[in-house]
Amino acid sequence: DARVTQTPRDKVTEMGQEVTMRCQPILGHNTVFWYRQTMMQGLELLAYFRNRAPLDDSGMPKDRFSAEMPDATLATLKIQPSEPRDSAVYFCASGFLLGTPNEKLFFGSGTQLSVL
Amino acid sequence: KNQVEQSPQSLIILEGKNCTLQCNYTVSPFSNLRWYKQDTGRGPVSLTIMTFSENTKSNGRYTATLDADTKQSSLHITASQLSDSASYICVVSPYSGAGSYQLTFGKGTKLSVIP
Repeated sequence: DARVTQTPRDKVTEMGQEVTMRCQPILGHNTVFWYRQTMMQGLELLAYFRNRAPLDDSGMPKDRFSAEMPDATLATLKIQPSEPRDSAVYFCASGFLLGTPNEKLFFGSGTQLSVL
Repeated sequence: KNQVEQSPQSLIILEGKNCTLQCNYTVSPFSNLRWYKQDTGRGPVSLTIMTFSENTKSNGRYTATLDADTKQSSLHITASQLSDSASYICVVSPYSGAGSYQLTFGKGTKLSVIP
């Protein structure tokens, strides 16, 4: 079965360190999302791409977060420098035909980030 | 502001019993509504998706209903199983035209099914 692959599964780091999370979307999906999930806020959109072009990154703290899609098989989310308040689960999702009755949207298993 | 409110926040039921989860939303204009199941340590998995013109949709023991007039949806689980223990998230997509796609997530209902 096709699936969205995220690495690493878990990441523990110290405040101030750079963190890079990677996502391999499902082949053929033209839209990729990055979400953050916390107990208090639930799932929040950080950024999303369509056909590798960034469409919305308004949910991201611009001073420390950056999202890129260097090619169709890889999306990255980088935090530099990381802070304890960034501790959360980060999900990547990919999809196509979004907004139609046949839409497909799949989530990865997430990266559990802990910043000490 | 677009919002999705879910109730109850958590629920414990006995195996084999039925339960209903609620979702109220203020998203307008409205495109579609989804219910996702999220197991602990996993990403959300889609259960149902309904457009504004649909009233009900089933997926096995899961049945979702939608009342677009009152902006309410429910997810009914029949003959619950231990594997139904998870968080159930209601997600609403506003109609935002070509080039934009935003989902508004509820905070979920945590369901525990006990033997």
